[in-house]
Amino acid sequence: GAGVSQSPRYKVAKRGQDVALRCDPISGHVSLFWYQQALGQGPEFLTYFQNEAQLDKSGLPSDRFFAERPEGSVSTLKIQRTQQEDSAVYLCASSLVYGASAQETQYFGPGTRLLVL
Amino acid sequence: SQQGEEDPQALSIQEGENATMNCSYKTSINNLQWYRQNSGRGLVHLILIRSNEREKHSGRLRVTLDTSKKSSSLLITASRAADTASYFCATGVSGTYKYIFGTGTRLKVLA
Repeated sequence: GAGVSQSPRYKVAKRGQDVALRCDPISGHVSLFWYQQALGQGPEFLTYFQNEAQLDKSGLPSDRFFAERPEGSVSTLKIQRTQQEDSAVYLCASSLVYGASAQETQYFGPGTRLLVL
Repeated sequence: SQQGEEDPQALSIQEGENATMNCSYKTSINNLQWYRQNSGRGLVHLILIRSNEREKHSGRLRVTLDTSKKSSSLLITASRAADTASYFCATGVSGTYKYIFGTGTRLKVLA
């Protein structure tokens, strides 16, 4: 596809349930970012991958959050034992640039809206 | 939260008028970007300005950057109803891979 895709688009989970959110970046994009966006707020950085290497995970809010990108393309964000405060939109973005700093134009997916009941 | 701040939080103007929104940040940056987000959708990149640049234009968009004041502004000229969206600034923090987004300005352009 031409853009970043994410699945599922919507997810309703019961508190305590584990969820897995998928991101398919643009083909050939080296950098991949995950963000969390609460209602009415800007996105907050969660983690960054350069190919398969997770170079920054400082934004993950707790050890219940885990992300991987084992083959350097598709990425999965997993949230264990979900809690109500995890309810948010989870955005994935990819970027073509490779290098010490990946700070170039990011292309965002449509997001996964997670609701924890 | 590390979010930068944007003002105004909300802005309502008539079609054809100009819209200006401001962004303030706290860290040293490599660049600053502006994004647009339509309701319920992902973010669309508008423009990137590097830390050594002071002004940049793209179509009806004009961005300024003042690193001494740690602030940026986005001007949309001759606004259209289709410009109705939320606008976010995002700063690329020096020495990291991280972007810090602002809290956003909700722009409504009335036809």
